[in-house]
Amino acid sequence: GAGVSQSPSNKVTEKGKDVELRCDPISGHTALYWYRQRLGQGLEFLIYFQGNSAPDKSGLPSDRFSAERTGESVSTLTIQRTQQEDSAVYLCASSYASGNTEAFFGQGTRLTVV
Amino acid sequence: GIQVEQSPPDLILQEGANSTLRCNFSDSVNNLQWFHQNPWGQLINLFYIPSGTKQNGRLSATTVATERYSLLYISSSQTTDSGVYFCAGINDYKLSFGAGTTVTVRA
Repeated sequence: GAGVSQSPSNKVTEKGKDVELRCDPISGHTALYWYRQRLGQGLEFLIYFQGNSAPDKSGLPSDRFSAERTGESVSTLTIQRTQQEDSAVYLCASSYASGNTEAFFGQGTRLTVV
Repeated sequence: GIQVEQSPPDLILQEGANSTLRCNFSDSVNNLQWFHQNPWGQLINLFYIPSGTKQNGRLSATTVATERYSLLYISSSQTTDSGVYFCAGINDYKLSFGAGTTVTVRA
């Protein structure tokens, strides 16, 4: 696609429910990143994919968070049993390869847990 | 990942003023980017600048890779320049961000 696309743009969910956030990277981009940004804060690294593999999951805050990527394309970030502290904007970025190429971000998914 | 320090944390400018934002890295990087986060939260790519100097309109950036820092210059600032400016660098694969500089341009 022309840019990184994330869906939904906004999600309001009740505490304890599971949510799935989707990221469609730019076509041909093999590297994909997920970040979390709490209100007024910086970007917190969550997970990185190279192809369909996730060599670094160290940023996932707890075992309620998981992510997968299929077909070296779409990635899904799943949050189980959501808590109020999960409320944030979740941002996805992609690049041609890790390390030496420019990364581009999607518009983000604003998650509100009530 | 590397540590990224941005300064100043906040900057208030009168329209028309010039300013410099700085980004320091704890280790060498092989990718360095500057972003502007608009009021809707979208991260807009400003510069991909692992080294050297680039210019884009009223904005320019310089990275001195050997000294592990980068500078973003805003000239003749406008109210539309307001927002948060982030720098980010990659060492290995992880794109690490600074805390950002919040710029407010007053008319």
